[in-house]
Amino acid sequence: EAGVAQSPRYKIIEKRQSVAFWCNPISGHATLYWYQQILGQGPKLLIQFQNNGVVDDSQLPKDRFSAERLKGVDSTLKIQPAKLEDSAVYLCASSLGRSSGTYQETQYFGPGTRLLVL
Amino acid sequence: TQLLEQSPQFLSIQEGENLTVYCNSSSVFSSLQWYRQEPGEGPVLLVTVVTGGEVKKLKRLTFQFGDARKDSSLHITAAQPGDTGLYLCAGIAGGTSYGKLTFGQGTILTVHP
Repeated sequence: EAGVAQSPRYKIIEKRQSVAFWCNPISGHATLYWYQQILGQGPKLLIQFQNNGVVDDSQLPKDRFSAERLKGVDSTLKIQPAKLEDSAVYLCASSLGRSSGTYQETQYFGPGTRLLVL
Repeated sequence: TQLLEQSPQFLSIQEGENLTVYCNSSSVFSSLQWYRQEPGEGPVLLVTVVTGGEVKKLKRLTFQFGDARKDSSLHITAAQPGDTGLYLCAGIAGGTSYGKLTFGQGTILTVHP
């Protein structure tokens, strides 16, 4: 079974530029998550989708970050304009979704996109 | 905001030694997970503990959930170089926060041959 795919793996941009990350979750997974992992810290949830609807985006800096999952499968996360403090690894994860009937769902993480803002 | 504090942040040991990593919070979690993350990869789930006082074993790894479901520990027996990595605990609040993971800052473990 294919895992969560992310691209690009690495991106270097200058501050105030825009950048977009792409995620393809595991087939059949209804829930998709975007996390930000700053060096030396654990991942922080930015946004959670259930199919193509947003479940939680309370920690998404909405003035510069946006995310969409139009057809309930692939997702893109965009930063516009980027700041130095956005340098981090952006992880995408997916899980089966609420229909599995359990709170302890396993989230499967992709390899992440490492962003460096200069 | 629920916070998880992990200790120690860094651990450097020799092959064959034992170690324990702690994960503490002032909040109650419905369940807690432990992940291992290698450089350039995403976290991989090791275990989920659900019941207060629960102990789970995975080969040389022993996981314990505190009675009050506010803390957890990971004990590794006879560590090997292949155990090197970032270990993360993550709490699940449940209820309206269904599925939302709150991660600790991680423990970087280095096992020297």
